Amino acid sequence: GAVVSQHPSRVICKSGTSVKIECRSLDFQATTMFWYRQFPKQSLMLMATSNEGSKATYEQGVEKDKFLINHASLTLSTLTVTSAHPEDSSFYICSARSDQGQDQPQHFGDGTRLSIL
Amino acid sequence: AQSVTQPDIHITVSEGASLELRCNYSYGATPYLFWYVQSPGQGLQLLLKYFSGDTLVQGIKGFEAEFKRSQSSFNLRKPSVHWSDAAEYFCAVGASGYSTLTFGKGTMLLVSP
Repeated sequence: GAVVSQHPSRVICKSGTSVKIECRSLDFQATTMFWYRQFPKQSLMLMATSNEGSKATYEQGVEKDKFLINHASLTLSTLTVTSAHPEDSSFYICSARSDQGQDQPQHFGDGTRLSIL
Repeated sequence: AQSVTQPDIHITVSEGASLELRCNYSYGATPYLFWYVQSPGQGLQLLLKYFSGDTLVQGIKGFEAEFKRSQSSFNLRKPSVHWSDAAEYFCAVGASGYSTLTFGKGTMLLVSP
């Protein structure tokens, strides 16, 4: 159980393109999902907390107009990187936490490798 | 503010040997502690977690970790390492089961034959 699916796994696109990444909880409902960014050989940096039915909470320094988050249902959150540039190239990972019971850990997707040319 | 330190950037262990990965945390109250493993190009898989109770927690794949409040540590151990354990390991701390997580920088485990 507790499977999180992230799609696509890899994207290569031209500078100026907008890219949408999907994060789905397959076998549980998740009011809260998280989006992370990971640079090579680095740890995960939390970008934002996605809340179903309300606005996402962004971490300091993350441009909300650049990284649009939509959490339209209890099983789906999307991250759209708008007008992507080479510096946005990175590994993006989502996680989701089950609504069932207290103290549920975060379960992670397999990540999306974004390469902007 | 909470923080996590993983002192070892990488560790090499012979297959069949025992393993201990270090994790020290900084947090004002009782922390929620996690160990995750990441294979190259993949997401993170939860190995084990500590919320309360018994300070020695068992996880998947034969891993265990011990919470030591006096040392602010949550070290990960495995008695006999397999080649398939080669991966990057992240320790994380949260204020509660619902809070955001703060991750350490990770320890890359290499397994030699």
